[in-house]
Amino acid sequence: EPEVTQTPSHQVTQMGQEVILRCVPISNHLYFYWYRQILGQKVEFLVSFYNNEISEKSEIFDDQFSVERPDGSNFTLKIRSTKLEDSAMYFCASSETSRTGELFFGEGSRLTVL
Amino acid sequence: AQKVTQAQTEISVVEKEDVTLDCVYETRDTTYYLFWYKQPPSGELVFLIRRNSFDEQNEISGRYSWNFQKSTSSFNFTITASQVVDSAVYFCALSEGISGTYKYIFGTGTRLKVLA
Repeated sequence: EPEVTQTPSHQVTQMGQEVILRCVPISNHLYFYWYRQILGQKVEFLVSFYNNEISEKSEIFDDQFSVERPDGSNFTLKIRSTKLEDSAMYFCASSETSRTGELFFGEGSRLTVL
Repeated sequence: AQKVTQAQTEISVVEKEDVTLDCVYETRDTTYYLFWYKQPPSGELVFLIRRNSFDEQNEISGRYSWNFQKSTSSFNFTITASQVVDSAVYFCALSEGISGTYKYIFGTGTRLKVLA
């Protein structure tokens, strides 16, 4: 069964460092998303991406965040200068259609900022 | 603004009991989609069900059933004869809009503990 894969599963970094989280969405999906879950809290939308551009982003997704699809298969989330409060589980998701399609989530990348 | 409320933070039941997880949503759109996801202790998010706003028919899938009531803006999830493996956090989510891509708004989740 096709699945969304994410790497790394866990990354520990120092405050102020740049981090790149990688995702390989399901191959025939067109819509890509990043969500964040701070430990024990709800899953929060960060950004959606379609047709090689951001279609919507939340207030969390400030200038420190960026996304790209560099090679047609990977979908990356970059945090330019990490802060302590960026520590969270980051989920990549993809869907075949936009509103109607269920999101398929990866297993998450846990980011710990020290 | 859209909002999803899962008032039950944590529920504990004994194995084989039935349990209902509540979800109440707010939206101004007439067209929207509701979802339930399961997050087991391993952390991944597993899709369980999707329901669109035009389909109020209740659905049953094995031990799982869902009750969608537009009149009360609720989309409740019942597990019949619960098992220890059902222990997880369950999230209800809402997606709305007319065009473009849609963010899903998740509730705060209900942690279900099924005790042997």
